[in-house]
Amino acid sequence: EAQVTQNPRYLITVTGKKLTVTCSQNMNHEYMSWYRQDPGLGLRQIYYSMNVEVTDKGDVPEGYKVSRKEKRNFPLILESPSPNQTSLYFCASSFSPAYGYGYTFGSGTRLTVV
Amino acid sequence: QQPVQSPQAVILREGEDAVINCSSSKALYSVHWYRQKHGEAPVFLMILLKGGEQKGHEKISASFNEKKQQSSLYLTASQLSYSGTYFCGTEIMNTPLVFGKGTRLSVIA
Repeated sequence: EAQVTQNPRYLITVTGKKLTVTCSQNMNHEYMSWYRQDPGLGLRQIYYSMNVEVTDKGDVPEGYKVSRKEKRNFPLILESPSPNQTSLYFCASSFSPAYGYGYTFGSGTRLTVV
Repeated sequence: QQPVQSPQAVILREGEDAVINCSSSKALYSVHWYRQKHGEAPVFLMILLKGGEQKGHEKISASFNEKKQQSSLYLTASQLSYSGTYFCGTEIMNTPLVFGKGTRLSVIA
C-alpha cells in the first residue's frame, strides 16, 4: 500500500531531551516536507526536501533539523525541545507538485514537551 | 506568503452548496486543495496549475483565476461526509507549498 509512515504517533517528552520523529514513504517520491499544525494557524512548513541531500527551510525552521540521506526517509530532529514545540506534526511527500501531483500526508505525530 | 481563505467557517444543511475562496498577494504557479477530517491527516482533493483551469471531483470542483491570483472550491449538494476543514495550498515558482489557515465546514442533517 502506498503510504507515508510516521513514528511515533504520540510522544510526551521533557524540555531539552533530543528526539527524532521518523518519516518514510514507499512511493519513490522526490519531494518531502514537514509541517506543524497548531489551532488557528493552519499547516506551517518546517523544512522541505526536493531530493536526496537537498533540503531547505520552510516558514518555521527554528529549533528543528532534518536530513535526507535516502530518498524514502526524511527524519525530523529536535535537538533541544521546548514547550513551544508542542504541536501536531505531519510529514508529506509528492512525486512532483509542478506536474500536478498532490502531497500524501502521514498520520501525524502529536508531540507534547513538558 | 500565506494565502487567505474565506470564510473561516461555514455551516450547511445537507443538500446545500458552499464556496470556499483562497487568495494570494503573489502570482501563483499552482493551487492545491485538501480536506482534513477531525483527528486525521489532510487528504489531497485536487491541484490546479497555472494557465487557469477548472477541475471537478465528484460534486466538488474548483477554479483557478490566475489573473486575480485566487481559487475557489465549490461543494454542491453537500453531504454529511463533506464535513471537515478545507485547506488551500499555494505555490509560487520555485517555492514550496504554503497553506492557508483553513475553512471549517460543518454539514448538518
